[in-house]
Amino acid sequence: QKEVEQNSGPLSVPEGAIASLNCTYSDRVSQSFFWYRQYSGKSPELIMSIYSNGDKEDGRFTAQLNKASQYVSLLIRDSQPSDSATYLCAVIPKAAGNKLTFGGGTRVLVKP
Amino acid sequence: EAGVAQSPRYKIIEKRQSVAFWCNPISGHATLYWYQQILGQGPKLLIQFQNNGVVDDSQLPKDRFSAERLKGVDSTLKIQPAKLEDSAVYLCASSGEVGRTEAFFGQGTRLTVV
Repeated sequence: QKEVEQNSGPLSVPEGAIASLNCTYSDRVSQSFFWYRQYSGKSPELIMSIYSNGDKEDGRFTAQLNKASQYVSLLIRDSQPSDSATYLCAVIPKAAGNKLTFGGGTRVLVKP
Repeated sequence: EAGVAQSPRYKIIEKRQSVAFWCNPISGHATLYWYQQILGQGPKLLIQFQNNGVVDDSQLPKDRFSAERLKGVDSTLKIQPAKLEDSAVYLCASSGEVGRTEAFFGQGTRLTVV
């Protein structure tokens, strides 16, 4: 079982719609969770971090964490063509060591 | 605040040659990561440093890859000899502000082995 799993996509959404991305992780004692956005040919850019159960909103992005079910999700509201990218979920599996582990990424295509 | 600096941006070498990548993390960041990202995949952790000590190198192919972080600041990743399957983007990231674990990436080095 992979430590961090994501659907590779592509997830195709019309402009203005909500894009919903999911990520599951295997280590129950994971402490820190991150979403990165990666445009083609560029390096990953941190867009959200979440550490406790519930929702965290930042502009058009909402991260949701459910530690009991071991999943973290990202919602992108009012999707724009500029949101077309690969979204990487990353987890620090244990409190000690800060080992940052990535999933394979979900490719999102926002169609005008 | 300056970001993570990496060089070179691009490198093309023949198989069996050697290559080295350099990374300068964000000032004050104690943790430094090297990742390998093959096209279409997520970043794979090669090695993690905490100051100048190795925290995790379980996925580093030690027969050909080596890394060091002298004085707990800059880091160098070396491949010797390179194989065709080493063609990838090599990403350096750093983290470690007090109380925070967010990691920030450099622009990466795109390596092509021919």
